[in-house]
Amino acid sequence: SQQGEEDPQALSIQEGENATMNCSYKTSINNLQWYRQNSGRGLVHLILIRSNEREKHSGRLRVTLDTSKKSSSLLITASRAADTASYFCATDYILTGGGNKLTFGTGTQLKVEL
Amino acid sequence: SQTIHQWPATLVQPVGSPLSLECTVEGTSNPNLYWYRQAAGRGLQLLFYSVGIGQISSEVPQNLSASRPQDRQFILSSKKLLLSDSGFYLCAWSSGGKFFGPGTRLTVL
Repeated sequence: SQQGEEDPQALSIQEGENATMNCSYKTSINNLQWYRQNSGRGLVHLILIRSNEREKHSGRLRVTLDTSKKSSSLLITASRAADTASYFCATDYILTGGGNKLTFGTGTQLKVEL
Repeated sequence: SQTIHQWPATLVQPVGSPLSLECTVEGTSNPNLYWYRQAAGRGLQLLFYSVGIGQISSEVPQNLSASRPQDRQFILSSKKLLLSDSGFYLCAWSSGGKFFGPGTRLTVL
């Protein structure tokens, strides 16, 4: 399967530190996306990186993609307590009937302590 | 701007009872719509997707069904719930990235 797998499963850091989460996948992708989920709530789309891109920035977020290693990383700089959430990577491919399918990993639980 | 609504937010149902979860989207036309399920502590699994009215594709065999009676309405149903149907159900629409609704937490007892 194309399932993304995040590493580490859980991460605890102090406010102000950087947090790095990694994602590996198995097959070719159209793009890779990162999402955040606060406890018990819906997912929020953070960033999309296409298969021909290597790095992308959005505010305090930096995503890299290495298609040769089939891996991606999400870096959150200068973390805040409000960044506490679960973070998922998702690999995207086109469905035969139209639309696209995201295959999610099991996520990294990030806890940012004051 | 586009918004996506789901209801109810939480639901507790007995085994064998029927289910109907509704999702509506505002601010866009002819969206691709999706139903995902998230089991406790796990990632999301795609259940159904729809590229238009009356067009439903199922990703995994299961006890659930979906319907799209209107362009911006997507319904998830079951005639008889199983314990294994418990989970967090998320509706989404796509435009580049996917945008998720707030979810419905279903507990089947």
